Amino acid sequence: KAGVTQTPRYLIKTRGQQVTLSCSPISGHRSVSWYQQTPGQGLQFLFEYFSETQRNKGNFPGRFSGRQFSNSRSEMNVSTLELGDSALYLCASSAGQDPYNEQFFGPGTRLTVL
Amino acid sequence: AQRVTQPEKLLSVFKGAPVELKCNYSYSGSPELFWYVQYSRQRLQLLLRHISRESIKGFTADLNKGETSFHLKKPFAQEEDSAMYYCALKGSGGYQKVTFGIGTKLQVIP
Repeated sequence: KAGVTQTPRYLIKTRGQQVTLSCSPISGHRSVSWYQQTPGQGLQFLFEYFSETQRNKGNFPGRFSGRQFSNSRSEMNVSTLELGDSALYLCASSAGQDPYNEQFFGPGTRLTVL
Repeated sequence: AQRVTQPEKLLSVFKGAPVELKCNYSYSGSPELFWYVQYSRQRLQLLLRHISRESIKGFTADLNKGETSFHLKKPFAQEEDSAMYYCALKGSGGYQKVTFGIGTKLQVIP
């Protein structure tokens, strides 16, 4: 099986722009979670989806949003980018409703905001 | 508020020595605790979770509710254990936010 894939792998944007990141889970996986990783704040939880429904969310401003499609692929969107949004954005997938059972991570999307 | 504390940013041990990566948490309810590992130039991996009570790659972790700790232990360190280790807590009820510790870099000296 192919692993979790994330596109694009690298992205450079300027302040004020918006960005959409994509995550394709392992085939058959229906849970997708998103995380932000920065040197200063470390790992932070963004969202968790199962069967197109957001089940949990972290403490991020409304500029951060996400969704999951019927094929389990997920996207996250960040609007009005700020310099502090520069980070590695990770997504992970798992097969069932429990997002932490056999959870696999993607390689991440490195977002740089100038 | 929930909090995860990993007091050591860097832990250096010799090969064959015991390893204990510390994790303390603050949470008023019944949390679920996890350990994640990230080897150099590899993807983040879920190492273990307290409800599974498994030993993964020789590592174990016991949830101590009295001391609010979830330390990761291995009796004999191996060079391939060198990595970043993150402790994480998932809350219960309502929106189950996940909080990570800042991570501990484990360096196993040959």
